[in-house]
Parts: sequence; structure tokens; C-alpha cells
Amino acid sequence: AQSVTQPDIHITVSEGASLELRCNYSYGATPYLFWYVQSPGQGLQLLLKYFSGDTLVQGIKGFEAEFKRSQSSFNLRKPSVHWSDAAEYFCAVKTGTASKLTFGTGTRLQVTL
Amino acid sequence: DTEVTQTPKHLVMGMTNKKSLKCEQHMGHRAMYWYKQKAKKPPELMFVYSYEKLSINESVPSRFSPECPNSSLLNLHLHALQPEDSALYLCASSPLSILLGNQPQHFGDGTRLSIL
Repeated sequence: AQSVTQPDIHITVSEGASLELRCNYSYGATPYLFWYVQSPGQGLQLLLKYFSGDTLVQGIKGFEAEFKRSQSSFNLRKPSVHWSDAAEYFCAVKTGTASKLTFGTGTRLQVTL
Repeated sequence: DTEVTQTPKHLVMGMTNKKSLKCEQHMGHRAMYWYKQKAKKPPELMFVYSYEKLSINESVPSRFSPECPNSSLLNLHLHALQPEDSALYLCASSPLSILLGNQPQHFGDGTRLSIL
């Protein structure tokens, strides 16, 4: 069965600093990978997705993620963080024709001014 | 603004009450989902509907009863819930295609449920 690991439970960065959130997956074939963001009291918003092709994918709000098959990773990056980026970030994977999303445990991002 | 609308946003109910959560989407998606999310945890899948038919039930207790009256609506009927059922209940939808895996799910803002 597929699994997703987000090693960092909580990350604090200063506004304007760069950000990288880690995500590792476990699956035998190429999975379908997603990053979602959840602000307090809100649902999940899709930031970006990877299915195939170019391993560097661009998303909304200035986020990007890079798929590295050799490392089974799909890390999320942003060159300059804004205070409004403070939220919970979830990496998720779907495999093949399964419709079930498997989520990582999430990383809580705090942004200091 | 979310394209998946959930009502009510908040619900407080006693353990003997019967209530329903509602979810609506007008994106033409033929797959709809219910998730339960406890504080500081990721969402946990409860049910999946494909073409208005229940396709996945993740061993959810029978006090939760899903219903999909049409392709735009998804309900979750609640009866005799327990305090541990207090959580954020999220609805999601996605397109269905032969290649199901490559379609992202779109989430509503959820219903925060409190059981007294």
C-alpha cells in the first residue's frame, strides 16, 4: 500500500525567507502527487499536482514542487514566504485507478514578521 | 471561494439527535467523497460515491449514513453519534475518467460538528 511521509511537523520561517517542505512517498510505480494547503477553519485547497512529464511543477500562490523519482520525494518550495502562507500543508498521493487519497501527517507552517 | 459548498458550517447536536450534513457541487464531477478530520490530523476517507453509487465505505460505523440523491448533491445522515465523532467533516468532488488517478479532488470548507 502507498504511504506518504512528511518528516517536519512544524516549521517556522521569517517573512521573505525561502521555504521547502519535505514529502516522501512509498509506492512501486509513479504515483499521482498533490500538495494541499489548509488554513484554520477552512477546507483543503489544491496548490499543485504532478502526474507525469516535467518534474518541476508550478502551482498557485507562487509555490512549486519537484518530483525526484530516485529519492521518492515531492518537496514543496517557495522562494519568498508571505505572512498569509501560514497554514497546514498536506502532501497526498493517489495511485493507478484508485480514487483514495492518502495524506501525509501534515506540516504546520508558522511565519514570523 | 470554494466550488464545493457544505452546510451547515457548524453543528452542535446531542447523542440522541438526528441531523444531516449537506454537500453540493456544480462542476459536473461524478465522484464525491466524505472525509473526517480530527484536530491536527490529516483527513480520513469515509465514503466514496462514483456515478451516484457507493463505491468505497472505509468501515465507517452505521451511525453515519451517506446518500447521493443526484450527481450534484451528497448528504451524510447522522444518528446516535458519540462524543468522539466530534470533528471537521469535509466533502470533496472530482471528475471521473478512465484514468481515475490523475484527477485532483476539490474540497469544501467543511462542517464542524460537536457532539454533546
